[in-house]
Amino acid sequence: GAVVSQHPSRVICKSGTSVKIECRSLDFQATTMFWYRQFPKQSLMLMATSNEGSKATYEQGVEKDKFLINHASLTLSTLTVTSAHPEDSSFYICSAPLPDGVFSSPLHFGNGTRLTVT
Amino acid sequence: AQSVSQHNHHVILSEAASLELGCNYSYGGTVNLFWYVQYPGQHLQLLLKYFSGDPLVKGIKGFEAEFIKSKFSFNLRKPSVQWSDTAEYFCAVYGGATNKLIFGTGTLLAVQP
Repeated sequence: GAVVSQHPSRVICKSGTSVKIECRSLDFQATTMFWYRQFPKQSLMLMATSNEGSKATYEQGVEKDKFLINHASLTLSTLTVTSAHPEDSSFYICSAPLPDGVFSSPLHFGNGTRLTVT
Repeated sequence: AQSVSQHNHHVILSEAASLELGCNYSYGGTVNLFWYVQYPGQHLQLLLKYFSGDPLVKGIKGFEAEFIKSKFSFNLRKPSVQWSDTAEYFCAVYGGATNKLIFGTGTLLAVQP
């Protein structure tokens, strides 16, 4: 079964509004979660690393004020796309490693969120 | 900088053909290597991984990959593909110092019955 739950799976919003995407680790605690963005027919681009209890680490070129990440608990990380524009339309995927070390185990991925901004 | 390249963007094979997908990375330090698969309409799933030890690793569904350190490569292979292997395949590399898992651009495999 799924070990990482992502919600919503699909969202359509109007330009200028904000959208929150949740990523939950099921049955395990995740001090670190990763947020990726996948454009059509392209690979996953790492946007940021979410760290429980501290600020997220953003990749170069990712606007931290636009993509707000909060990792308030050991099982929940949220990504808020603020003042969304059509160019933010994409597939957003979160992932988390099992707690035996960041990469001693593979990442488990959520099912992704398809964001469409009209 | 850490990067991953997959040279085959789109591969079309007939059933029972052999498969090899290339993956090269650039990173000077210790790496962990992964191949993920994304079937149509589904989320990413791990095929196999390499952390250390035997450079030839076997994964699920008959896939295997070989880590060749001197070539910075981690190619994915399967002796005989099936129609159900139609999917997109992503190579990914974790660099210890960067603490990041970086994905290649993906290879779309279409297996014709």
